[in-house]
Amino acid sequence: GESVGLHLPTLSVQEGDNSIINCAYSNSASDYFIWYKQESGKGPQFIIDIRSNMDKRQGQRVTVLLNKTVKHLSLQIAATQPGDSAVYFCAEMRTDKLIFGTGTRLQVFP
Amino acid sequence: EAGVVQSPRYKIIEKKQPVAFWCNPISGHNTLYWYRQNLGQGPELLIRYENEEAVDDSQLPKDRFSAERLKGVDSTLKIQPAELGDSAVYLCASSLDGGTYEQYFGPGTRLTVT
Repeated sequence: GESVGLHLPTLSVQEGDNSIINCAYSNSASDYFIWYKQESGKGPQFIIDIRSNMDKRQGQRVTVLLNKTVKHLSLQIAATQPGDSAVYFCAEMRTDKLIFGTGTRLQVFP
Repeated sequence: EAGVVQSPRYKIIEKKQPVAFWCNPISGHNTLYWYRQNLGQGPELLIRYENEEAVDDSQLPKDRFSAERLKGVDSTLKIQPAELGDSAVYLCASSLDGGTYEQYFGPGTRLTVT
């Protein structure tokens, strides 16, 4: 399959470990944030979102943390599985427009 | 439920040639987006439609790019003439409405301009 990026920051984790992917956003006025997963040859897929009036939100095996003071977002994946291997993007909603950050490639090894 | 459909999946053309991409959004989705994704980067919005109306085309290079969404369903994005720098993946997405409604992305069309 095609690669979505050749020189992305890469996080390598062992299967079963927890993963933490970080993202810094630029606009303090942004009030809605989303994490996307993009597998090779596919479009981005919604994982989890969070609004600025929250600092934590949990889904199935995923947790998003928002620190508005330092404009930082993180995605935590519990018990990482081989199927979690992909490029992960954070995105902020700014005046009805999604602005994507730099992706992080997650590699899961056995 | 079928997802967002795009065609073709891959396209190779010579510079100065025209090219067109087609998108069929999820049924019932009023909002349609075209994004461009360069290698190693996140998608960047080119144009957003609310039904048939282009409500945000500020990032669309209008000298060579055009788009249409006749009848508020399918959409086409055209480049004429293509330049080497247009090589990228062109993604279509749709959502029920604009704002914070979840956007569903298609698989994209990978364009290579030689």
